[in-house]
Amino acid sequence: DVVMTQSPFSLSVTLGQAASISCRSSQSLVHSDGNTYFYWFQQRPGQSPRRLIYRVSNRDSGVPDRFSGSGSGTDFTLMISRVEAEDVGTYYCMQATHWPPYTFGQGTKLEIK
Amino acid sequence: EVQMVESGGGLVKPGGSLRLSCTASGFNFNAAWMTWVRQAPGKGLEWVARIRSKTSGGTTEYAAPVKGRFLISRDDSKNTLYLQMDGLKPEDTALYYCTTTTVPDWGQGTLVTVSS
Repeated sequence: DVVMTQSPFSLSVTLGQAASISCRSSQSLVHSDGNTYFYWFQQRPGQSPRRLIYRVSNRDSGVPDRFSGSGSGTDFTLMISRVEAEDVGTYYCMQATHWPPYTFGQGTKLEIK
Repeated sequence: EVQMVESGGGLVKPGGSLRLSCTASGFNFNAAWMTWVRQAPGKGLEWVARIRSKTSGGTTEYAAPVKGRFLISRDDSKNTLYLQMDGLKPEDTALYYCTTTTVPDWGQGTLVTVSS
């Protein structure tokens, strides 16, 4: 199975400051069809997860443009340019290139300092 | 508007069975590869099973911890996804979500508790 390793485990950010979450996979996530099936999800406290980013860098509808995804191969990053109070929660990366199974990172908990 | 509504969870004894349902709307369910993901209390997300669309063969895949005990299926005429869970264990206790990479939305999940 592909292992997804997120860092940091948690981060505390001042409102308006930037935040960055890293996700590393144990093997390249480039599919034989040329796509990279890598995603970012946000789970606010007490809520269901929702997807923010699909295929590395595509923002889902309704996701603020302060969220951006980047990376390739085995190394990926979620950047929040200016953290707002509503961004508090846990962020997960997921790969769907090599299956079964799809695999998730362990999660990164974001809090406001 | 995309909606996924899970149901069928509850309290069951070890070794028991449950059948979860997920009714979807607002997207082309027939074409979607559908997935069950679970989240144990206070833990992260764990992929459980996936079923391809009928046009992609309708084949199924399972995570190792549930293989041979769980069965994923779909009824495209009802836009509904199912998860038949047999031989339940305490470690299956979790909130179960249905989802798909086709749309970003998830449902509220349905809670399964396995306890004597």
